[in-house]
Amino acid sequence: GAVVSQHPSWVICKSGTSVKIECRSLDFQATTMFWYRQFPKQSLMLMATSNEGSKATYEQGVEKDKFLINHASLTLSTLTVTSAHPEDSSFYICSARPRPRRTLITGTSGSEQFFGPGTRLTVL
Amino acid sequence: QKEVEQDPGPLSVPEGAIVSLNCTYSNSAFQYFMWYRQYSRKGPELLMYTYSSGNKEDGRFTAQVDKSSKYISLFIRDSQPSDSATYLCAMSAGYGQNFVFGPGTRLSVLP
Repeated sequence: GAVVSQHPSWVICKSGTSVKIECRSLDFQATTMFWYRQFPKQSLMLMATSNEGSKATYEQGVEKDKFLINHASLTLSTLTVTSAHPEDSSFYICSARPRPRRTLITGTSGSEQFFGPGTRLTVL
Repeated sequence: QKEVEQDPGPLSVPEGAIVSLNCTYSNSAFQYFMWYRQYSRKGPELLMYTYSSGNKEDGRFTAQVDKSSKYISLFIRDSQPSDSATYLCAMSAGYGQNFVFGPGTRLSVLP
């Protein structure tokens, strides 16, 4: 269980074009999805947090008009890189957080995130 | 001081060794602690998830949390070459709170 898919896994595009990346939670409902980017040999950098049915919250320094996020359902979020430039080339990873659940031991749990396999974007 | 610190490595060990990976943090509000494994050009994979202090064991992996010292560890017993990856620690203050990731430690297990 807890599988997250991303599509496409690898995309090459020309400078100035837009690219859409899909993130799907396959076997659970995700109230929150996250978008990260990762440069080679560096850690994950959170770009934005999206909750189903509401506007995404962007991290400082991330252009919301350039990175459009839509979280239309509990299983799908999309990231569109608009007017892509070579400096946007990176590894984009989404993650999804399941609905909260209660356990006897830990109280409200479900804080964990499950990551997709990532999308490698190369802008020429 | 960064919120989460982790030695980036690389850490090289022989096959069969016990590996110790560690993170320190500064925010005492963190309650949820995760370890992820990330192979090259792949998304992170959740390995261990711990709430509050204590130990948790799953197969060859043991996660420890010491909230008084703000220190978490991941131990890998009988390490295998297939364990070669980058290990990321992550933590959050609670549901609805964003994760804070460590920079990751690159581990190489040599056959």
